[in-house]
Formats: sequence, structure tokens, C-alpha cells
Amino acid sequence: QQPVQSPQAVILREGEDAVINCSSSKALYSVHWYRQKHGEAPVFLMILLKGGEQMRHEKISASFNEKKQQSSLYLTASQLSYSGTYFCGTAHTTSGTYKYIFGTGTRLKVLA
Amino acid sequence: DTAVSQTPKYLVTQMGNDKSIKCEQNLGHDTMYWYKQDSKKFLKIMFSYNNKELIINETVPNRFSPKSPDKAHLNLHINSLELGDSAVYFCASSDPAGGPETQYFGPGTRLLVL
Repeated sequence: QQPVQSPQAVILREGEDAVINCSSSKALYSVHWYRQKHGEAPVFLMILLKGGEQMRHEKISASFNEKKQQSSLYLTASQLSYSGTYFCGTAHTTSGTYKYIFGTGTRLKVLA
Repeated sequence: DTAVSQTPKYLVTQMGNDKSIKCEQNLGHDTMYWYKQDSKKFLKIMFSYNNKELIINETVPNRFSPKSPDKAHLNLHINSLELGDSAVYFCASSDPAGGPETQYFGPGTRLLVL
């Protein structure tokens, strides 16, 4: 069961803000966020741990709501370099087995 | 300098052929992975190895066989290639001892089966 991300795609003007959500049906103990630019590999942005603080990477921040099994990525004053596909990576255990699953992805395009 | 490297970067081949993709990491990580990213950009884990031992083997056709000669290398061999195998294959590594398992990806191998 892949975590669902919303929206699937978003187009912004430079300087605008956006929020990307990641929802899981599993009890998570950590969430990672990655950005993948076209033709490149995903690159780690930040990690959120259960009971941890809200994290930041430049003007991008994220939160983790453990009760709702949701994480949100906040992009503030977006820059052209923010364009790409954003993935959440979620960690949980099933029957004692560790599982790491990526979300469905959100394509972000920032226009000048 | 490259942390996770893969070869080849591009692979174009005919249906029915057998091919291999190689992966090496110099991060000293114990765990390595293979992911498949399809045309819809979904990233799906295929295999995970921890210190040369298979720990995750998702529902993947047995035409795909990973091999880990040592903890710095994880190769992927694919037999009898099919059209549906066309995708980008990413190798990744992580360090569980360093905390929750942030994935460090290689540049990807773009496989096209004709």
C-alpha cells in the first residue's frame, strides 16, 4: 500500500508557496522527503521522526502528524530550482518486518 | 568521489536477451537496494541486501536475480528481458546504524527493451 501524495501535480510562479501532503495507511515511525529533477536520481531533503521536530531545508520545511500518519512538505517563496518531482519515503513495520515505501510522487513546476 | 555509481547509464537491448547492471557504493553503508521507476515515475523497491545477505525480496519475477559479492557491490542480472522491463533502475544504499534509513541513490540505468 503505497502512501498517497497530493496534489499529483502543481504549477507555481516564482515566489509562491505550496504544500505537498503524504498520507499512509500504516503506523509510521519516520518519513523522508526527496526531490528528483528530470533525468536525475532522487536526492534526500530531510527526515522526520516520530516525536521529532519540524525540519527545514533552506526555505522548505516539513511536519509529521503521527496520529494521522501524514506528513506535509511546505515550500515557501518557491524558486526555479524547486522544480522536480517530490517523493515521501515512509518507514513502518509489518509483522515485525521493516518496510520502506515511496509515495506516489508530486510533480512541481515553478515558472519565472 | 561518486558515492553510489551504476553502470551502464543506458542500456538498449532486444527482447529475450540477458543483461546485467552493476552498482558500487563507497559510503561504507551496510545496506543496498534496487529500485525500479516506471514511466509513471513510481519508485518500487525490488531487493534489499544487508551486508551481502538478502533481506527484502518484493514480488519480482524470478528473471531478476541480485548478486552481492561484497557489501560495497550489488549487481542486478535480468534474464529473458521483456518489453515491460523497460524502466529506470536505481541502486541505492543506506546506513541503518546511522539512524532511519535515508536512501542515497545512484544515477540510474535507463533500460529500453525493444
